[in-house]
Amino acid sequence: GAGVSQSPSNKVTEKGKDVELRCDPISGHTALYWYRQSLGQGLEFLIYFQGNSAPDKSGLPSDRFSAERTGGSVSTLTIQRTQQEDSAVYLCASSLPSLDTQYFGPGTRLTVL
Amino acid sequence: DAKTTQPNSMESNEEEPVHLPCNHSTISGTDYIHWYRQLPSQGPEYVIHGLTSNVNNRMASLAIAEDRKSSTLILHRATLRDAAVYYCILRAHTGANSKLTFGKGITLSVRP
Repeated sequence: GAGVSQSPSNKVTEKGKDVELRCDPISGHTALYWYRQSLGQGLEFLIYFQGNSAPDKSGLPSDRFSAERTGGSVSTLTIQRTQQEDSAVYLCASSLPSLDTQYFGPGTRLTVL
Repeated sequence: DAKTTQPNSMESNEEEPVHLPCNHSTISGTDYIHWYRQLPSQGPEYVIHGLTSNVNNRMASLAIAEDRKSSTLILHRATLRDAAVYYCILRAHTGANSKLTFGKGITLSVRP
C-alpha cells in the first residue's frame, strides 16, 4: 500500500520568507510526527499529533514553527520568517496506536538562502 | 529518555554476518529496545524491537542481554543495500509521549 508521502521533495527559499511543508500519512494512522535532520546532526523531534488530542509541541524550536493536522489526516508544517539555520530535511512519520512502529516519509529538503 | 551508546561506525564484508552493539545501562523496566535504520537520502525505517527475549524477523535478529543493559542487532548476511546508519532507541511503552529520540547511530559500511 501507499506509504507516507511528503511534498515538496525539495524547497529553496529566501531568508525571511514563509514556507509550508505537507505530509500525507498512511491511511488510518492516527498518530503523526514531524522530525528534522540538519546536516551532520541526528533526527530531532518537532511535534506529535494523536487523534483529537492536543498536539505535543515540545520539540518546536521557536514560535516561528507551527503545524496543524486537518481532519485527522494531512498535516502541514509552517515555518515563518525562515532563517538559514532552518535549512534541514524535514521528515514526517505516522503510526497506528501511538506506541506502534513509525513509518517515515522521504522528507522535504529545505534550503534557506 | 534513557540514553543509548553505539560505536560511531563499523565495516563489514558482503554476505558475512554483522553484529551491531548498543549499550543502554540506564534502561528502565518499561523500555522497549527499538532499532531503526536510515539508508542514504531516505527516511528512517523500522528494523526490529524487543523487550526481554531475543527477537527474529525477516530483516534481522535482536539479541538482548539478560540484564537488558545491552543489545546486539544481527544482520545474518550483509548486502550492499544494508549500508546505512543504524539507530538503537529506547522507547517507553507507558505514558503519552511516543516520540523517537534518535542518537547519532552507527554507520555501517559494507564492502563488496
